[in-house]
Amino acid sequence: AQSVTQLGSHVSVSEGALVLLRCNYSSSVPPYLFWYVQYPNQGLQLLLKYTTGATLVKGINGFEAEFKKSETSFHLTKPSAHMSDAAEYFCAVPLRRGANNLFFGTGTRLTVIP
Amino acid sequence: SAVISQKPSRDICQRGTSLTIQCQVDSQVTMMFWYRQQPGQSLTLIATANQGSEATYESGFVIDKFPISRPNLTFSTLTVSNMSPEDSSIYLCSGGLAGVGEQFFGPGTRLTVL
Repeated sequence: AQSVTQLGSHVSVSEGALVLLRCNYSSSVPPYLFWYVQYPNQGLQLLLKYTTGATLVKGINGFEAEFKKSETSFHLTKPSAHMSDAAEYFCAVPLRRGANNLFFGTGTRLTVIP
Repeated sequence: SAVISQKPSRDICQRGTSLTIQCQVDSQVTMMFWYRQQPGQSLTLIATANQGSEATYESGFVIDKFPISRPNLTFSTLTVSNMSPEDSSIYLCSGGLAGVGEQFFGPGTRLTVL
């Protein structure tokens, strides 16, 4: 089975600072990878996804992530944090190769300090 | 993309009772799933809802406790049976197209069991 690990359950950054949320995957072959965001009291929204092709993936709200096979990583970044970015972020991978159901990481809560 | 709605959005229930959660998708999706998100935790897949047949449950979840129906491509229900306080969670429905990987999530149903 495939899985992901998110390092850091809480990350705090100042408004305008770089956001870096870490995700490492365990898979013998390049998987599909996803980042979702959950705002308070809401469902999950897809930020971006990696399937095949370009390893630098751009998503909504200025976020991007880079697939690095050599590091088995898919870290999420944003050059300049906004107050509205405060939320819970989840990295996810299909449970099994070719499957649609997802295994979610434990999540990282992002706090943006004014 | 697909827009997914859930009813009810929240409920407070007594121990030993059952609650049925409805999930409606605004367009046809191949796959529908049910997840549980316990307080302060990540999402755990309960089952894949299969159209016209029994759902496929993940380890640790059984049909007697979480019966699921999916009579057509755009509608599914999850029942939480004989509830206990440990069932207090957010229950999320999601949908997607087979082979695409990404899923779209409903807003969730926040269940509190007293």
